[in-house]
Amino acid sequence: EDQVTQSPEALRLQEGESSSLNCSYTVSGLRGLFWYRQDPGKGPEFLFTLYSAGEEKEKERLKATLTKKESFLHITAPKPEDSATYLCAVQARGFGNEKLTFGTGTRLTIIP
Amino acid sequence: KAGVTQTPRYLIKTRGQQVTLSCSPISGHRSVSWYQQTPGQGLQFLFEYFSETQRNKGNFPGRFSGRQFSNSRSEMNVSTLELGDSALYLCASSMQGVAGYTFGSGTRLTVV
Repeated sequence: EDQVTQSPEALRLQEGESSSLNCSYTVSGLRGLFWYRQDPGKGPEFLFTLYSAGEEKEKERLKATLTKKESFLHITAPKPEDSATYLCAVQARGFGNEKLTFGTGTRLTIIP
Repeated sequence: KAGVTQTPRYLIKTRGQQVTLSCSPISGHRSVSWYQQTPGQGLQFLFEYFSETQRNKGNFPGRFSGRQFSNSRSEMNVSTLELGDSALYLCASSMQGVAGYTFGSGTRLTVV
């Protein structure tokens, strides 16, 4: 069974203080690993998809990396508006498989 | 470009009642997935529909059901509601063969 574990559960940073969020996963053949951001009362907002070990993607202050067992979301010089819950999910290979298995998220708070 | 639209945004129901939630995917997206999000369990996959057929199903009791119409709009139904069904129900749509899922804002269901 596919599993995703995210750490830490919660993280408080000062504005400008860089850090990383971790996503460890086990999956029967990885089709894709997804990062989402979720604000309170809203649906998850897509950030990145990573497909193979060694791949990296960047968007503004965020950079996602992938190995065969884990993914990291690096946040550089965060701002208060980066405060949100960050979710990691995996999708296994398989024809017609559209199921995403999510971790429970990291709640990030950036203090001005 | 319109996003994924879920209606209603909020619902309050009594134990034993049934409820129907609606999801309109992004135009051109034929795959629609449903997720239940609770504080304790995070996001859990309910089911996925493509071209009016259920292709994937999560580990939920038969009280949870869904369907998809020819215009790709989807509904999910929960019968004999229990207090534990209180959750945020999220719908996501994707284009067949293209990884990446766009979520709606969800329907907040409260069972009293």
